[in-house]
Amino acid sequence: AQTVTQSQPEMSVQEAETVTLSCTYDTSESDYYLFWYKQPPSRQMILVIRQEAYKQQNATENRFSVNFQKAAKSFSLKISDSQLGDAAMYFCAYEIHTGTASKLTFGTGTRLQVTL
Amino acid sequence: GAVVSQHPSWVICKSGTSVKIECRSLDFQATTMFWYRQFPKQSLMLMATSNEGSKATYEQGVEKDKFLINHASLTLSTLTVTSAHPEDSSFYICSASHKGVIDTQYFGPGTRLTVL
Repeated sequence: AQTVTQSQPEMSVQEAETVTLSCTYDTSESDYYLFWYKQPPSRQMILVIRQEAYKQQNATENRFSVNFQKAAKSFSLKISDSQLGDAAMYFCAYEIHTGTASKLTFGTGTRLQVTL
Repeated sequence: GAVVSQHPSWVICKSGTSVKIECRSLDFQATTMFWYRQFPKQSLMLMATSNEGSKATYEQGVEKDKFLINHASLTLSTLTVTSAHPEDSSFYICSASHKGVIDTQYFGPGTRLTVL
């Protein structure tokens, strides 16, 4: 079974600073997808960034970037120039495709606080 | 695009009654819909996957007779919690993917269920 581990239950960062959230996963598959989702207090899940396992280049979305280390099964999220609106729960997720659909497995989450 | 709605956003019911939660894809045809459950301060746990016009596939440990899922059209899936008990109180989230982009799930805003 696939597992996703987020070893940091809580993290704190000052506004405008950079923070990195850790994620490791365990899988025997070679083709899969990795995601970071943000869940603010509204509880709406928001896709932050995604990475295809077959791509060596790290994904980037504005202030958000990942460090994908396939051999180490590591997928960390870097948030640059942190903003107050970045405060939320962040979930790392692993996805495999089964036939015509996908199946997501989530990590336990990291609560990010952004301070002034 | 790719908006998913849920109704109701919150519901309170008495123990022993049944509650129906709707999940709708507003601007795309959802070939597959997913139902998750999230307890306070915990991660999302997949309950079941449903494909339009076929029976849902339940995850291990999820009672199919208690959590009835119907996916009768390409834009609507329903989750009915039958004979609800206080331990069923939770946050229920649906997501949907469409045929063209099976590797991305679009999440609804969630439904908070409280069983008295």
